[in-house]
Amino acid sequence: KAGVTQTPRYLIKTRGQQVTLSCSPISGHRSVSWYQQTPGQGLQFLFEYFSETQRNKGNFPGRFSGRQFSNSRSEMNVSTLELGDSALYLCASSLGQGDWETQYFGPGTRLLVL
Amino acid sequence: AQSVTQLDSQVPVFEEAPVELRCNYSSSVSVYLFWYVQYPNQGLQLLLKYLSGSTLVKGINGFEAEFNKSQTSFHLRKPSVHISDTAEYFCAVSSGAGSYQLTFGKGTKLSVIP
Repeated sequence: KAGVTQTPRYLIKTRGQQVTLSCSPISGHRSVSWYQQTPGQGLQFLFEYFSETQRNKGNFPGRFSGRQFSNSRSEMNVSTLELGDSALYLCASSLGQGDWETQYFGPGTRLLVL
Repeated sequence: AQSVTQLDSQVPVFEEAPVELRCNYSSSVSVYLFWYVQYPNQGLQLLLKYLSGSTLVKGINGFEAEFNKSQTSFHLRKPSVHISDTAEYFCAVSSGAGSYQLTFGKGTKLSVIP
């Protein structure tokens, strides 16, 4: 099975712009979660989608949004970029059913905001 | 609310020596516990997980961890490390019950010295 893929792998934007990141989960997985990783704050949960519905949301401003499509692919969008949004954005997929299912992480998208 | 504390930010160890990476958690509910590893420029890979049952959990690459409820700890151990174990290790917690949100510690960088 192919793993979780994220595109693009690297991105450079300037302050005020917006950006869209994409995540394709493992085939058959219906849950996709997003995390932001920075040196200062570490790994922080952004949100989780299951069957096109946001099931959980972390403590991030409304500039961060996401969606999930019927094929389980997910996108996250950050509007009005700030320098502090520079980070590695990781997505993880899982079957999403039951009490807990192992999450498989993609390689991440590294975003640099100038 | 849940939190995870990884007591050491960096751990140097000689090749073939044993290592222990410490993790303490705080939660008002029962939790599921995880250790992930991150190699440079890669996503996270699950090493092992504790959901229930035996408190000694064995994972991949010769790692194991012990869940201690009274001390709220989940320390990771390996009896003999290799150069290839050089990476960053993250302890994480989830409340389960259908919540796929992971709360991570700040990470421990393990450096194996030849």
